[in-house]
Amino acid sequence: DVKVTQSSRYLVKRTGEKVFLECVQDMDHENMFWYRQDPGLGLRLIYFSYDVKMKEKGDIPEGYSVSREKKERFSLILESASTNQTSMYLCASSFLRLAGETNTQYFGPGTRLTVL
Amino acid sequence: KQEVTQIPAALSVPEGENLVLNCSFTDSAIYNLQWFRQDPGKGLTSLLLIQSSQREQTSGRLNASLDKSSGRSTLYIAASQPGDSATYLCAVSDGGATNKLIFGTGTLLAVQP
Repeated sequence: DVKVTQSSRYLVKRTGEKVFLECVQDMDHENMFWYRQDPGLGLRLIYFSYDVKMKEKGDIPEGYSVSREKKERFSLILESASTNQTSMYLCASSFLRLAGETNTQYFGPGTRLTVL
Repeated sequence: KQEVTQIPAALSVPEGENLVLNCSFTDSAIYNLQWFRQDPGKGLTSLLLIQSSQREQTSGRLNASLDKSSGRSTLYIAASQPGDSATYLCAVSDGGATNKLIFGTGTLLAVQP
């Protein structure tokens, strides 16, 4: 079974703090993704990575950065947390899709972050 | 820019009823469409994946259809059970190597015993 784990289920931080959210997958997937989920807005892609040290911005990268030093681990960093970053953060991973193939994303359980 | 819409936002049905969830997308150039289930406070679990060349996929009591030309998909749940209560999300992929997904906002389903 594919397993995607996230370092914390619940996190409470103060405005201005630097926050690290960690995600680890055990299936040797090339692709990894960070989303945030907000009521009425659905899942929005923050950043994704298709290889070690490679990253690309998603739809809402402002205020976030990422790090992928090892294939199995993808970190989301909030350099200076703000209250509007209070949200559910979901990590996902998938194989690199080759021509003619189909693959799906596997999701972690999520981290509910509250910024006070 | 691709936009995915799900109607209704919430649905409550009595146990045993058959029901249909709807998903629409604005750009028909999709590679595939997936339906996911999300339990409260949890991550997403993939239910069904339909390739753009397919019309439907079935898994147990679930049947998903795809009409790419009209930009619509439906998820049919037969003989609903309280355990089906969850949020259902659809997502479309443009087929890139990274398999980026665009999600709808979901339908919150409550099946009353």
